[in-house]
Amino acid sequence: RKEVEQDPGPFNVPEGATVAFNCTYSNSASQSFFWYRQDCRKEPKLLMSVYSSGNEDGRFTAQLNRASQYISLLIRDSKLSDSATYLCVVNGGSASKIIFGSGTRLSIRP
Amino acid sequence: DTAVSQTPKYLVTQMGNDKSIKCEQNLGHDTMYWYKQDSKKFLKIMFSYNNKELIINETVPDRFSPKSPDKAHLNLHINSLELGDSAVYFCASSTGPDVGSPLHFGNGTRLTVT
Repeated sequence: RKEVEQDPGPFNVPEGATVAFNCTYSNSASQSFFWYRQDCRKEPKLLMSVYSSGNEDGRFTAQLNRASQYISLLIRDSKLSDSATYLCVVNGGSASKIIFGSGTRLSIRP
Repeated sequence: DTAVSQTPKYLVTQMGNDKSIKCEQNLGHDTMYWYKQDSKKFLKIMFSYNNKELIINETVPDRFSPKSPDKAHLNLHINSLELGDSAVYFCASSTGPDVGSPLHFGNGTRLTVT
């Protein structure tokens, strides 16, 4: 089992739709979680941290389920500009244990 | 006022050559990293320095040698380049190597070895 697994997609959804991704992790001792966004041929950029109680930033909601060892990202009212690859990142407790998922590709169509 | 900058952005070179990539951050962060993103888009850590000291050295060939002259700079030198070294190399920084410090990435160096 991979340490961090994501559905690679691509998810192809119409503008205005709600879309959700999950990411599972294998290390139960993992301590911090993030979602990054990577546009084509660009660097990854932090989208949001994921907190135990769940957190929201505008149209984006992130949740953590420690019992089932997954995190999720929900995007509401999707925009064309949301088209990107979304990377799940899990930190197992030190810099060497920052594990990136392979990413989920999202494409928003007009 | 770029936060993490790396040069060059593109690097095309022949097998067997030696090349360097430079990285600088002006965020005042203590920790810097080199990541490699291969054709399958996996991002893997190669090295990490905290305050100029090497703290992570993943299983990377000896041909790769990082150098950190100060905590704002982390350069990567690659000897005897091979075809398999072709990838995008990202420099990143964070406030520290601890849990909860998100990474800030440079815009990447696309290395092509022919």
